[in-house]
Amino acid sequence: QQQVKQSPQSLIVQKGGISIINCAYENTAFDYFPWYQQFPGKGPALLIAIRPDVSEKKEGRFTISFNKSAKQFSLHIMDSQPGDSATYFCAAWEGNEKLTFGTGTRLTIIP
Amino acid sequence: DAGITQSPRHKVTETGTPVTLRCHQTENHRYMYWYRQDPGHGLRLIHYSYGVKDTDKGEVSDGYSVSRSKTEDFLLTLESATSSQTSVYFCAISTSPGQSNSPLHFGNGTRLTVT
Repeated sequence: QQQVKQSPQSLIVQKGGISIINCAYENTAFDYFPWYQQFPGKGPALLIAIRPDVSEKKEGRFTISFNKSAKQFSLHIMDSQPGDSATYFCAAWEGNEKLTFGTGTRLTIIP
Repeated sequence: DAGITQSPRHKVTETGTPVTLRCHQTENHRYMYWYRQDPGHGLRLIHYSYGVKDTDKGEVSDGYSVSRSKTEDFLLTLESATSSQTSVYFCAISTSPGQSNSPLHFGNGTRLTVT
């Protein structure tokens, strides 16, 4: 049973385009939602995060949109670049001890 | 990578043999985690530790045990490896998990193959 559902599984976007990855959850005890970026051969690294009392958070070209009533959140990557090609994971904290991850999205940016 | 060393980086072992993976940190972080990463499943929590000798189970703990006798070391043991435990294993650390100023920091993983 996947507590955090992520889509799509893979995504191909042209350079300069907008990449959008979506996540949904059911557990209302989740209270903090980070996104992680992972390059091949490396561990995931925190990209950006949001709390459910905020509807949007932007850091450079990366934006999280959060819809608390729908229990959905998404990552938008503006002006996508080849260096953004990686696997992206949404995740959710329940309290302060367990982090649950989505299944991941492999993003490829083509020239 | 945030002072986390996982060893070995790669290991091939036979079904039924015991295997121990080591995570060593130099950050003095209280919390340590073991995740496994598999295609189609993302990262799933195996066990975590919230202090020396304090550990708890994650969602996929069956077949795994852990020990933490020192702040800096967190060991993951597969008592009798099975092919279903072929995976990439990641260790992570944190000071105050779930807080905006204390993300999980991950090591670079151990690729384990059970034949």
